[in-house]
Amino acid sequence: EIVLTQSPGTLSLSPGERATLSCRATQSLSSKYLAWYQQKPGQAPSLLIYGASSRATGIPDRFSGSGSGTDFTLTISRLEAEDFAVYYCQQYDTSPGTFGQGTKVEIK
Amino acid sequence: VQLVQSGAEVKKPGASVKVSCKASGYTFNGYYINWLRQAPGHEIEWLGWVSAYNGNTNYAQKVQGRVTMTTDRSTTTAYMELRSLRSEDTAVYYCARGDDWNSLWYFEYWGQGTLVTVSS
Repeated sequence: EIVLTQSPGTLSLSPGERATLSCRATQSLSSKYLAWYQQKPGQAPSLLIYGASSRATGIPDRFSGSGSGTDFTLTISRLEAEDFAVYYCQQYDTSPGTFGQGTKVEIK
Repeated sequence: VQLVQSGAEVKKPGASVKVSCKASGYTFNGYYINWLRQAPGHEIEWLGWVSAYNGNTNYAQKVQGRVTMTTDRSTTTAYMELRSLRSEDTAVYYCARGDDWNSLWYFEYWGQGTLVTVSS
């Protein structure tokens, strides 16, 4: 199965700063089938990005996704208070679909 | 679209648990329902999917033989039963709606989660 490795494990930033999260796959995702989710404590994950770079409905444009092959990035251009959470990537290119271990974005 | 799951469960090792996921707001039999879980402080793990159209299933190797996923089209409800529970099955279990065509897809809609605790 494809293993996704996210880095860093924790990102300590201040509101207004830019966040750059990485997700690396052990095999190339030929169809760019990579999604990003945000999860807050006690809540289900919430879809942010699909197809590596398409924003889900209602997601603000400060969230953007990029990448191809084995390397993908989620960028939050200017962090707002509600963006401090855990972020997961998921590949749906090759069965079984798998998730990364998550990156926690915390307030510095 | 709404997915509403059943409440928290506490089970002893070796027992079984059955979690339900009531769907509304869309054509139930047109989509796959996936089940995932997340142990405390851990990543999300996909457990399998069931087609609400024809009942076909596909399970993760890790739970194959212990899990059964079904749907009831009359009540638009999906079920996940996990048997021979072990302490490492303690997790929050989620249902999530997949695609209408692709069995492997991303998840735009999730249930609220059901905490299953396995403890003697």
